[in-house]
Parts: sequence; C-alpha cells; structure tokens
Amino acid sequence: GENVEQHPSTLSVQEGDSAVIKCTYSDSASNYFPWYKQELGKRPQLIIDIRSNVGEKKDQRIAVTLNKTAKHFSLHITETQPEDSAVYFCAASGAYNTDKLIFGTGTRLQVFP
Amino acid sequence: KAGVTQTPRYLIKTRGQQVTLSCSPISGHRSVSWYQQTPGQGLQFLFEYFSETQRNKGNFPGRFSGRQFSNSRSEMNVSTLELGDSALYLCASSLRGDTNYGYTFGSGTRLTVV
Repeated sequence: GENVEQHPSTLSVQEGDSAVIKCTYSDSASNYFPWYKQELGKRPQLIIDIRSNVGEKKDQRIAVTLNKTAKHFSLHITETQPEDSAVYFCAASGAYNTDKLIFGTGTRLQVFP
Repeated sequence: KAGVTQTPRYLIKTRGQQVTLSCSPISGHRSVSWYQQTPGQGLQFLFEYFSETQRNKGNFPGRFSGRQFSNSRSEMNVSTLELGDSALYLCASSLRGDTNYGYTFGSGTRLTVV
C-alpha cells in the first residue's frame, strides 16, 4: 500500500550545523513531494516542495533533493538556527488529479544555541 | 485574505456521542482535505472533497463521514465516539485540487473524548 517512511524521528544539532531528514516512498506514481514544518501548537506550514521532473530545489537555507529511481527524497537545512526547531513532515502525493498526501511520521528537530 | 478556518478549536465529548467539525477554506479554493493527527501516527488522511464530491477516502471506519457544500465549506462527522478518536483534526484547502499548489492547513480542532 501507500507508505512514506521518514528518518530520523528526532534530530539534535548545534546552531550553525546542517540537518538532513530523509524519506522513502512506496508509490511509484507519486509526483509531488512537499515538506511541512509544524511548530509546537501551530498548524503545519509548507516550507518547500519538489516535483518529479526536478532533482533538486533550493530556497535560501533549505533544499530538497529527489531520487525517483530509488524513491528517496531529503530535506537539507544549512546554518541551522534555534527558530528552525520544530517537527518536520515529508509527504508524497497520490496519483494525478488528487490532493491526497501520504505523510511521514515526522522528525523533531532541536537546534541548540 | 483569510486563511483556512476551523471551528471549534477545542471540543470535549463523551464516549458514544457524535461530533461535527467545520472547515471554511481560503476564498476561491475548491478542494478540502481532512487529516487526523495523533502523536504516534502522524497525519493520517481522512477524506478529500472537490466541488462537493468526495474524491478519496482514507482507511477509517464508517463512523467517520464528511461532506462539502456549494460554497466549498466542509464538515466532518464522527459518530459513536471512542477514546481513540481523541486527536487534532486538521483540514487543508488548495486552489485546484491536483497537488500543484500545495495545501494550506487550518489550525485544527482538538477533540478529546472522555
């Protein structure tokens, strides 16, 4: 069935270091891969997304890479700051013409000053 | 413009009761999806509605139902509540409903079943 695995479940880094979160999806028809950040008590917010025809996308300190052959995609955060501390969720879309997303179980990132 | 609005924000119900949650999407958005968020399971897909039609349904029992109105507002209903239904229920809207634009989530309704 449809499944997205996300690792690690928790990640602690020192301010200024890089953080990498990895996801694997099962449905080869998935063509859209968003990442959401959820701060404590708040709604998930889209921070970056990538589509299947692109291998890498960057937005300032965050980047996402996609390997469709291996069904892997990753989030990279460079020069981490304390305000990056949150839970990050990866997701993969279903087939075309649907909004359904299959989410990973989340990664709790803590950035220590 | 206003974001996705969910009401109520908090709800406490007793086992066996039923509950109705409401979601008003961003103006102009025609697609509304619902998710259940629990600490152990993450975000689990419940339903997707587009132009008043249910387009997808997740693996939840029949006690969970929903609908979408002509103004794109959506409701979900849970009947015969169980303790395990305690969760944060999130709805999300998008413009076209084909994952090209990503979701905007509401703040959620936190349901506690006692």
